[in-house]
Amino acid sequence: GIQVEQSPPDLILQEGANSTLRCNFSDSVNNLQWFHQNPWGQLINLFYIPSGTKQNGRLSATTVATERYSLLYISSSQTTDSGVYFCAVAGSTLGRLYFGRGTQLTVWP
Amino acid sequence: EAQVTQNPRYLITVTGKKLTVTCSQNMNHEYMSWYRQDPGLGLRQIYYSMNVEVTDKGDVPEGYKVSRKEKRNFPLILESPSPNQTSLYFCASSLAGDTQYFGPGTRLTVL
Repeated sequence: GIQVEQSPPDLILQEGANSTLRCNFSDSVNNLQWFHQNPWGQLINLFYIPSGTKQNGRLSATTVATERYSLLYISSSQTTDSGVYFCAVAGSTLGRLYFGRGTQLTVWP
Repeated sequence: EAQVTQNPRYLITVTGKKLTVTCSQNMNHEYMSWYRQDPGLGLRQIYYSMNVEVTDKGDVPEGYKVSRKEKRNFPLILESPSPNQTSLYFCASSLAGDTQYFGPGTRLTVL
């Protein structure tokens, strides 16, 4: 299967700071998604981004498929950004998803 | 409202007692999946389905069964649950293997 590594595993920020989360993967992918799991356990899709760059408010993501990595940028962090951020990829079989172990983000007021 | 629903949300059972966790989506999605989440391990895919009557194994299929008889439903069956299946389970769906929409999760404890 495809190996997915996320870094850093933990990140602690003060409100207003910016951060970059990284996702490395071991093989070519046709599907890459970023998710946020809030402190109540709910999983929300942030981006579907197998290649290129997307932005949604304070969040943006870039995937460089040829170099096998993706970055999630969070600007002007808020306490509501706290939670775990997961990256997931799929190769030629789109439904077969591989998740990283996540980055635990804590934003202090 | 477009959503993925799971039932039950919480379940405590005993070893060996067969159980089913239901999953339903109202978005006419082709793809559906089951995941388990354990501390420090992230999410691992159990089974996925790309269409009615088409299912395939994920990372950790042992001890689980699934069926996809209708497009909207994808139940997860534990025929003889064991304590190592204590976990948080998520169902998800997507239109065509793209953006995944997750259910609220089912917390299962097997004693």
